[in-house]
Amino acid sequence: KQEVTQIPAALSVPEGENLVLNCSFTDSAIYNLQWFRQDPGKGLTSLLLIQSSQREQTSGRLNASLDKSSGRSTLYIAASQPGDSATYLCAVIRNNDMRFGAGTRLTVKP
Amino acid sequence: NAGVMQNPRHLVRRRGQEARLRCSPMKGHSHVYWYRQLPEEGLKFMVYLQKENIIDESGMPKERFSAEFPKEGPSILRIQQVVRGDSAAYFCASLRFEGVETQYFGPGTRLLVL
Repeated sequence: KQEVTQIPAALSVPEGENLVLNCSFTDSAIYNLQWFRQDPGKGLTSLLLIQSSQREQTSGRLNASLDKSSGRSTLYIAASQPGDSATYLCAVIRNNDMRFGAGTRLTVKP
Repeated sequence: NAGVMQNPRHLVRRRGQEARLRCSPMKGHSHVYWYRQLPEEGLKFMVYLQKENIIDESGMPKERFSAEFPKEGPSILRIQQVVRGDSAAYFCASLRFEGVETQYFGPGTRLLVL
């Protein structure tokens, strides 16, 4: 059974810092991995999708990496801004199955 | 993801009542997923539907919960005789095949059971 873990559960950083969010999964036989952002009381916004054949994806200040062999993915946020404050969820995808981690709640202080 | 619509956005029910949650997928999408997000927990898969067909309901509680996606109209997640533990945010996502399968999420329905 696939288990997805995100560490840390919460993170608070001053504005401008670079930071890394971690996601680990127990079954490396995945197809894709996706990072989402969730703002309080809102739905999910897809940030980056990494296919299993890829090692990383970049979008603006975000960079996500995937290491299937070790069952790990990281989301790197450069030059953090207060607007980045949200909960970040990773999800591993295999066939029609999508398993989410519990998320990391990020607070970026001005 | 603005194309996936869910209503109502907020729903309050008393214990024992029924809750009906609706999800209209993006135009042209014929596959819908339902997820539940309990407070302080991650999203958990509930059910995967194609029009007029349940493909995978392994994440759905065996009792009181049901889902359908008729040929016409939205997908419905129905919770009968709600209990306080059903209070959660329920998200639906519709699936698009664009080389890579991508799920587009709706804004969610927040259910509060009093």
